[in-house]
Amino acid sequence: EVQLVESGGGLVQPGRSLKLSCAASGFTFSSFAMAWVRQAPKKGLEWVATITSGGSNTYYPDSVKGRFTISRDNAKSTLYLQMDSLRSEDTATYYCARRDTTVSHYFDYWGQGVMVTVSS
Amino acid sequence: EIVLTQSPTTMAASPGEKVTLTCRASSSVSYMHWYQQRSGASPKLWIYETSKLASGVPNRFSGSGSGTSYSLTINSMETEDAATYYCQQGSSYHYTFGAGTKLELK
Repeated sequence: EVQLVESGGGLVQPGRSLKLSCAASGFTFSSFAMAWVRQAPKKGLEWVATITSGGSNTYYPDSVKGRFTISRDNAKSTLYLQMDSLRSEDTATYYCARRDTTVSHYFDYWGQGVMVTVSS
Repeated sequence: EIVLTQSPTTMAASPGEKVTLTCRASSSVSYMHWYQQRSGASPKLWIYETSKLASGVPNRFSGSGSGTSYSLTINSMETEDAATYYCQQGSSYHYTFGAGTKLELK
């Protein structure tokens, strides 16, 4: 059974940093691209970052580019999101998601999410 | 960036009613994917590659479309279908979601 379990969320002050983790199990982690998707309170879904299976390529939307860094440790089957220079608008539930292996790029499994609150 | 516009924003349907949700893209995309999110839960893949049902999705659901216009249809609304549905495109490694359609039970 595929499982994605996020951790590392919490309350952080504006301008500070936080690192999220996502522990994967039930599949060959190193064979899949992975992503982070967030959801602000009462809002819709927003893609935050993607990393290819080997970790050599990463992609971000303009809203987080230069502030967030996605990485992975295939030996530990763990995905990370380093979030720097946090802003109040980064307050959201952050989901770890597995991306499919085809060219159509959808997210077939999601974690339960971890809440990040940016506030002074 | 490809913008996805979903309509309606909110709707209510009675049990047995046919429901159609739409998603329009600002530029042509090859596929559209749909997710269901029930209140307080994580999103679930519902329809992928425009018309393929994810595992466990009832066959009263269907998806169709091409280019810039896509839709999700429920043949006969059931209680458990009340949720928010999001469309998503996966072109050029930069992904976008629609704002969602909240489907309620009438």
